[in-house]
Amino acid sequence: NAGVTQTPKFRVLKTGQSMTLLCAQDMNHEYMYWYRQDPGMGLRLIHYSVGEGTTAKGEVPDGYNVSRLKKQNFLLGLESAAPSQTSVYFCASSWGASNYGYTFGSGTRLTVV
Amino acid sequence: KQEVTQIPAALSVPEGENLVLNCSFTDSAIYNLQWFRQDPGKGLTSLLLIQSSQREQTSGRLNASLDKSSGRSTLYIAASQPGDSATYLCAAFNAGNNRKLIWGLGTSLAVNP
Repeated sequence: NAGVTQTPKFRVLKTGQSMTLLCAQDMNHEYMYWYRQDPGMGLRLIHYSVGEGTTAKGEVPDGYNVSRLKKQNFLLGLESAAPSQTSVYFCASSWGASNYGYTFGSGTRLTVV
Repeated sequence: KQEVTQIPAALSVPEGENLVLNCSFTDSAIYNLQWFRQDPGKGLTSLLLIQSSQREQTSGRLNASLDKSSGRSTLYIAASQPGDSATYLCAAFNAGNNRKLIWGLGTSLAVNP
């Protein structure tokens, strides 16, 4: 089925460990986004990309890095995980910036202990 | 600064009832307003996207309206069913220099059989 696939679905990290979250879309969308969702705070944009080879900072980029080497993939990295990064992470993609709907992945639930 | 508010935060109704979910935004300079559904532990599903030049959009039992002058959007659900139970989120896509989706915190809907 066409859509956005996130891996892994669940992960527990120890403080200071690193990991990479993978987002893959097969809809040929130009734009891709990483959000985190926390209770009472809603969805917050971490980083986004407007095309292959591009990345840009969102609202809460500190502690995260991203790469978009291929159009279909958008990777989110945590170099040194902190308990404050415990959250549910969502990837999304869209055709363009403003006049197109977003397609979301099913999320990655990350716990940092 | 754009702010999106959804009231009520939670709603419980008996099956078959028609209901309205509210979304208000503080800055009328938007490209579009989007409604999403989120099931527990799942990602977000796009329901309806209303462009700034439109007044409403319909999909099945769902109807979303947009009134930019009053800073309001409503999602109308006709003949509610237990399967409609989910959290409904609205997001306004800002125009101007800060082009991005601004999210509400959602309305958690429970439709009781």
